[in-house]
Parts: sequence; C-alpha cells; structure tokens
Amino acid sequence: DSGVTQTPKHLITATGQRVTLRCSPRSGDLSVYWYQQSLDQGLQFLIQYYNGEERAKGNILERFSAQQFPDLHSELNLSSLELGDSALYFCASSPDRGGFTEAFFGQGTRLTVV
Amino acid sequence: GESVGLHLPTLSVQEGDNSIINCAYSNSASDYFIWYKQESGKGPQFIIDIRSNMDKRQGQRVTVLLNKTVKHLSLQIAATQPGDSAVYFCAENKDGGSQGNLIFGKGTKLSVKP
Repeated sequence: DSGVTQTPKHLITATGQRVTLRCSPRSGDLSVYWYQQSLDQGLQFLIQYYNGEERAKGNILERFSAQQFPDLHSELNLSSLELGDSALYFCASSPDRGGFTEAFFGQGTRLTVV
Repeated sequence: GESVGLHLPTLSVQEGDNSIINCAYSNSASDYFIWYKQESGKGPQFIIDIRSNMDKRQGQRVTVLLNKTVKHLSLQIAATQPGDSAVYFCAENKDGGSQGNLIFGKGTKLSVKP
C-alpha cells in the first residue's frame, strides 16, 4: 500500500458526460501528480499541483482540469468525455521538499467511456 | 538470464536466472531516473532510482546502470522470482525538484517461468 488513495476504482460513463476523480496523497506530501495510462500512449504526465498551486503541466487536454484543496487532496475533472478518454488515471504524491525523492502512486481509477 | 534489445516489449526468463531490462531515455538534460514495477491491476511501484552523477546503484536483488554517453539505462534483477513478473517502466525526470513530473518509457513485460 503506497498510502495514496484514489476513488472511485472504476467508473463507467457515457460520451459527453463529466466525471470527477479524487486523490488523497500520502500524509505530509505536498505534491500531487496526475497521470493517464492508455494502451497506445503508455503513462502520460497530465498535471502537477504543489501545496494548492499548479506547478507543471503535461499533456492535459483543455477538457480536463484539476485542483488541489487546502487539505492537499486533489480532484481531476474530465468533461465532454470521448471514447478515447477511456484509460487508467493514476494519482501520485511526493514530499517535494527538495532533493530527489520518488513519487508514490495510487491504485488508479479505471475510466470507461461508452 | 538474457540481455534484450532496446524497447523489446516482452522478456521471458527462467526462475532463478538473472534478468536484464533495458531502456533508452530521451533527454540528455534528465538528471534523475527511476525504475517502476507495475503488476496487473495496480499502480506503478518504485523499485530503485539513480541520479545522473552516478553510473551504478544497487538495491536488494536489483541493480540499475546508467550510461549517460549513450542515454541508456538498465535494470538487472538477480535470481528472478515468479513474483517479479510484471511490467517494468523506466522513467526520467528533468525538472530538478519536481520528482513526479516523470517521462515514462513504454515498458517491458517480464514473465518468469517456474
């Protein structure tokens, strides 16, 4: 158990809909990262938040957005869903207080768009 | 064990043999590298990391080698066990302290035959 909690584990929704994925980082970790894992693209970095503020952006679509709350949990919002958005979405956290430390991943949310 | 070519998607080894998984990274400015193991239905799990100022690092049954000249990373697993069966990803980071902003390779699936 990495200490990172993601909910829900599975989500099935229709095209055009909007969903919210939730992540609780490890206790004390300030940074939260979101990744998308699909069969054809592998693991792709989407976005990073550090202590409530956006720090880095990767290959995140404009239809997707995220935020990190004062208690450091994070939500990833996916809207106008398309079939191609079906994937595993992972959240990771790390202390990010300087130095080299690895990111710890949650178990992921499997999103299926039908 | 057997040495495999770069980007080979699968590797099959006999239990007890040594495994070598190779990876080419993309950015000569990357300064931190991590190997992750991902079992079916789970999130990536940290195995071992290495900084760019090192060329070798050893852990328990695992060794990572870094060749910056040719931008090559390898993971050696000694005495491979059935529990080592998983997909292995190398990841690189070039953002200094933002350790979760990782660029992942495509992954190699390791199968261990009993």
